[in-house]
Amino acid sequence: GENVEQHPSTLSVQEGDSAVIKCTYSDSASNYFPWYKQELGKGPQLIIDIRSNVGEKKDQRIAVTLNKTAKHFSLHITETQPEDSAVYFCAASKNNAGNMLTFGGGTRLMVKP
Amino acid sequence: NAGVTQTPKFQVLKTGQSMTLQCAQDMNHNSMYWYRQDPGMGLRLIYYSASEGTTDKGEVPNGYNVSRLNKREFSLRLESAAPSQTSVYFCATRDSGGREQFFGPGTRLTVL
Repeated sequence: GENVEQHPSTLSVQEGDSAVIKCTYSDSASNYFPWYKQELGKGPQLIIDIRSNVGEKKDQRIAVTLNKTAKHFSLHITETQPEDSAVYFCAASKNNAGNMLTFGGGTRLMVKP
Repeated sequence: NAGVTQTPKFQVLKTGQSMTLQCAQDMNHNSMYWYRQDPGMGLRLIYYSASEGTTDKGEVPNGYNVSRLNKREFSLRLESAAPSQTSVYFCATRDSGGREQFFGPGTRLTVL
């Protein structure tokens, strides 16, 4: 089955700096790669996703890049703000009937004011 | 419009006790999922239901059973709880035409 590894497990940055979280996946058939943000005491919420026919996608201060050959994808957050502090999860999925997601282990991002 | 709701929010069980975690959605989504979240391991899929009347095993189904009661409700049952089932449990839903999963607020379960 699919295996998704995520690094780093914790990341501390100063407000205004950039943050980068990296994930690798094992199954070359995976074609959908979402990123979820989980705030304390809440369920994860989708913040951005990318499909395998696209190399990069941006949404305001966040962007995701995908390298299918190397089987890795990354989340980039620019101009970080204290409200960006949360746990971030990457995931991978094939276009199967259940759209099952395999998640990485998570990254706790702390943005220091 | 409550989205995805889960009950209870917290539960403490003794080893061997049984309980059912409830999930309900008002989003009219066909697919529903149960995950468990453990430190450093992300979320792992226990069971899912692609549509009303169907259920399938995920990555970690042992020790659990599920029931898709109707389109709105998807319950997770622990027949004989074990300390290894101490975790935070999340229910999620997905519309047939989309890829995004919408998560509930979670149930924190402790098995002593």
